[in-house]
Amino acid sequence: QVLLHQWGAGLLKPSETLSLTCAVYGGSFSGYYWSWIRQPPGKGLEWIGEINHSGSTKYNPSLKSRVTISLDTSKNQFSLKVRSVTAADTAVYYCARVRYGGQGSLEIWYFDLWGRGTLVTVSS
Amino acid sequence: SSELTQDPAVSVALGQTVRITCQGDSLRRYYASWYQQKPGQAPVLVIYGKNTRPSGVPDRFSGSSSGNTASLTITGAQAEDEADYYCNSRDSSGDHLFGGGTKLTVL
Repeated sequence: QVLLHQWGAGLLKPSETLSLTCAVYGGSFSGYYWSWIRQPPGKGLEWIGEINHSGSTKYNPSLKSRVTISLDTSKNQFSLKVRSVTAADTAVYYCARVRYGGQGSLEIWYFDLWGRGTLVTVSS
Repeated sequence: SSELTQDPAVSVALGQTVRITCQGDSLRRYYASWYQQKPGQAPVLVIYGKNTRPSGVPDRFSGSSSGNTASLTITGAQAEDEADYYCNSRDSSGDHLFGGGTKLTVL
């Protein structure tokens, strides 16, 4: 059974850097995309970005200037950094595995595994 | 447009059928995936692709797609199905999109 275990600091001050790590246990790191998603309190899901096993990244344009996602294949881990946080970055942050394929004329992309989430609060 | 639109709230009587919809231009290129989220929990994948349920998801959950609209149908809704439901797909730039979510109430 593949599990995603995530951790990182839960309380930050404005202007600090958010740092979270997600470890993949019980399965291969290769052949998948790995993503970060967040959810502000009482609101919906927002995709932050993703990285594939080769290290290629893609970011939400609204966050791109402040976000870095990296991976450590030797440890089966990937990480998220968000610089210069503000109260608007307060959210539960999830790591997730992304799978993809094709079926007929349409592409399939989905998040099949999720971490348990980390609440990050930004407050002075 | 680069967005996915869902009704904010839907209700269904216990044991009845409910359909939750998701609209967006990206659904003409990408299948939607659907996630169930209960309070305080991480989202759980319930439908992906044309109509595929991950192992462990009850067969009362089904999906369909036509044009720019994807639908999640629960046939014979149960009390434990009360949750928020989110659709997701890529957009034309390859970024992931989530719908705003639908809060399902089972009466």
